Amino acid sequence: DAKTTQPNSMESNEEEPVHLPCNHSTISGTDYIHWYRQLPSQGPEYVIHGLTSNVNNRMASLAIAEDRKSSTLILHRATLRDAAVYYCILRDSGSQGNLIFGKGTKLSVKP
Amino acid sequence: DAMVIQNPRYQVTQFGKPVTLSCSQTLNHNVMYWYQQKSSQAPKLLFHYYDKDFNNEADTPDNFQSRRPNTSFCFLDIRSPGLGDAAMYLCATSRGGGRGKDTQYFGPGTRLTVL
Repeated sequence: DAKTTQPNSMESNEEEPVHLPCNHSTISGTDYIHWYRQLPSQGPEYVIHGLTSNVNNRMASLAIAEDRKSSTLILHRATLRDAAVYYCILRDSGSQGNLIFGKGTKLSVKP
Repeated sequence: DAMVIQNPRYQVTQFGKPVTLSCSQTLNHNVMYWYQQKSSQAPKLLFHYYDKDFNNEADTPDNFQSRRPNTSFCFLDIRSPGLGDAAMYLCATSRGGGRGKDTQYFGPGTRLTVL
């Protein structure tokens, strides 16, 4: 699976939007972009995934650059509960399902 | 609610004493995974089962074994735990098929302490 690059940490204020960037310049045409997050002392949880088009779900939005070399996870209104480590992971459509976690971005949310 | 359950949440064992961690799922998923997460690090895949097919990661130590007696249950056996095996152990499941779209559902983890 191709590699991703994320900032080590970011800060946000409560109730403000948060844009978490991810660079994946070596992405292949068959790689899906997945985001997971891990709250303190919990297992990771799935947030969103996409291939080419922007995606929205109840948790977040995923904006994918036209060349697919970068993407941004958007939390529309951060809450204290969104403080977590966010992982951007590429999954090849031919892979059997393994997730290769990078270091992720630790998001802090200030009241 | 359908979910992934790990027992126990906290496990203490002695150096060299075999220990078994368990995972069960009510999602009826085909694939079950075990990850190891050491303090301040990202989760690292140890192995996974696709139905009854076992897939070991190349760098998983021989000290770690797994069993999947049926669809719902999967066990992680550590034959001779060392101090370096102290970590959070995460179980996850996925439907399989779907390949790149397949999403994983994680349990809360078992934190293993080795004395």
